Amino acid sequence: DIQMTQSPSTLSASVGDRVTITCRASQSASKWLAWYQQKPGKAPKLLIYKASSLETGVPSRFSGSGSGTEFTLTISSLQPDDFATYYCQQYNNYPLTFGGGTKVEIK
Amino acid sequence: EVQLVESGGGLVKPGGSLRLSCAASGFSFSNAWMYWVRQAPGKGLEWLGRIKTKADDGTTDYAAPVKDRFTISRDDSKNTLYLQMNSLKTEDTAVYHCTTSMAYPNIFNRWGQGTLVTVSS
Repeated sequence: DIQMTQSPSTLSASVGDRVTITCRASQSASKWLAWYQQKPGKAPKLLIYKASSLETGVPSRFSGSGSGTEFTLTISSLQPDDFATYYCQQYNNYPLTFGGGTKVEIK
Repeated sequence: EVQLVESGGGLVKPGGSLRLSCAASGFSFSNAWMYWVRQAPGKGLEWLGRIKTKADDGTTDYAAPVKDRFTISRDDSKNTLYLQMNSLKTEDTAVYHCTTSMAYPNIFNRWGQGTLVTVSS
C-alpha cells in the first residue's frame, strides 16, 4: 500500500499569506495525486487532480505541483474561506489512500 | 444537479450488521464507478472500496480493514449503491460517504452528505 504523509499537520496563517502543504508518498504515485478541502460537518471538495490540474470552479489561487513521491498544494493568497482541513489522496494504486490532513487555522 | 443521498446509518452493537444505501440522481448512475469513503469522529478520510460499472465488469475492490466484512453492490435499475457491513467493530464508528467522479476514475468530485454509523454496546 502507498502511505501518504502530509506536513504540517496544523498550520497557522493570516489572510493574504502564501501557504504550502506537502504530501509525501511512501512509493511513487506518479502524477496520480488529488487534493481536497474539507470544512467542519461538510463533505470534502475536490481542488486538484493529476497533481496539478485545477478542478472546474476552484479559484486560481490554489495550485498543485509534484510527481513521484513529493507533492505540494499552494494557496497563493489565503482567503477567509480557505480556513479548512486539506487532504491529499493517491490514486496510482489500490487501495486508494489519503494523507492524514493539514488543518489551516487563523493566526 | 448531481445528488448522492446516503441512508441507513444508526446505532448497532459490536458484531452486528447494517446496510447503507446511497440514492443517486442527476447523472448516469449505471455509467459511474462508485465508492465508499468514511471518516471516524475527529479523524481523516479512509477509502473503503469501489464498484465498477457493469460495462467495466462490475468488480469490487476493498481496503484491508473491511475486506471480507463489507460488501459493495449496486442496483442500476434503482440508481442505488449499497454497503453491506457485517461483523461490525467499535472502530467502524464513522460517517460513511458515497462518492463518485464525473470525469476521471478514482478521484471524488461528487459526495453525499454522509450517514453516521455508531458501533457501541
